[in-house]
Amino acid sequence: QKEVEQDPGPLSVPEGAIVSLNCTYSNSAFQYFMWYRQYSRKGPELLMYTYSSGNKEDGRFTAQVDKSSKYISLFIRDSQPSDSATYLCAMSASGDYKLSFGAGTTVTVRA
Amino acid sequence: DAGVIQSPRHEVTEMGQEVTLRCKPISGHDYLFWYRQTMMRGLELLIYFNNNVPIDDSGMPEDRFSAKMPNASFSTLKIQPSEPRDSAVYFCASSIQTGNYGYTFGSGTRLTVV
Repeated sequence: QKEVEQDPGPLSVPEGAIVSLNCTYSNSAFQYFMWYRQYSRKGPELLMYTYSSGNKEDGRFTAQVDKSSKYISLFIRDSQPSDSATYLCAMSASGDYKLSFGAGTTVTVRA
Repeated sequence: DAGVIQSPRHEVTEMGQEVTLRCKPISGHDYLFWYRQTMMRGLELLIYFNNNVPIDDSGMPEDRFSAKMPNASFSTLKIQPSEPRDSAVYFCASSIQTGNYGYTFGSGTRLTVV
C-alpha cells in the first residue's frame, strides 16, 4: 500500500463548477501538507501549503486537512479552463525534508 | 530570480550511452532534490542533498545512477549506461533550510533512451 493515495481521475467539469480533490495517507507523523499544480510538460508548482490540521483559503482555492481521518482536500471554486492541470498532493513529517507525493489527479475544465 | 534551471530540456540517446542531466538550484536554497516522473510510478525521489552533501540516496534505482553536487550552485545526475526503461522526465527541485515550505521545481529534462 502506498503511503499517499490519490485518485488519478481524470476529472472533467464545466467552467464555473467546484472542483473537489482529495488524498488519504497512512503516516500519522505527517505534519506538512501541500498541493502542487502541474501543467502539461512543466514542473510542479506549489499551490497551497498547510501546517497540521485546519483550513486555508487563497482566492478561489481552499485546502483542508483532517489529521484524525488522515485526509486532505483541495477545493477550487468558480473553476476556469486555465485550472486544467494535474494536481498533486504532497506531505512530510516534521524535520523530514522528503516529500511523499500522491499520484496526481488530472483535471479538465470545459469552457 | 530565475528559478531552478535544468538542462537539457530534452535528451534522446541510444541505449548504452552515458547521460548527464544538470541542475542549478535557487541561490540560497540549502536542499536539492532529484525526482523522476513516469506515468506508471508518478514522482519518485531519487536522491537529495543538504549543503552539497548527499543525505539520502535510497531512491537511486541502480548503480548505473549517480549524482553529485560539487558546489551550492550546481548538481548533476548521471546514468551510465542508459537503458530504455530509464526514459522519464527528471526533475530537480530546491528548498530553503528553515521549515518545510515545499520545493521549487525546475522545468524538467525529458529523457528518451532508444
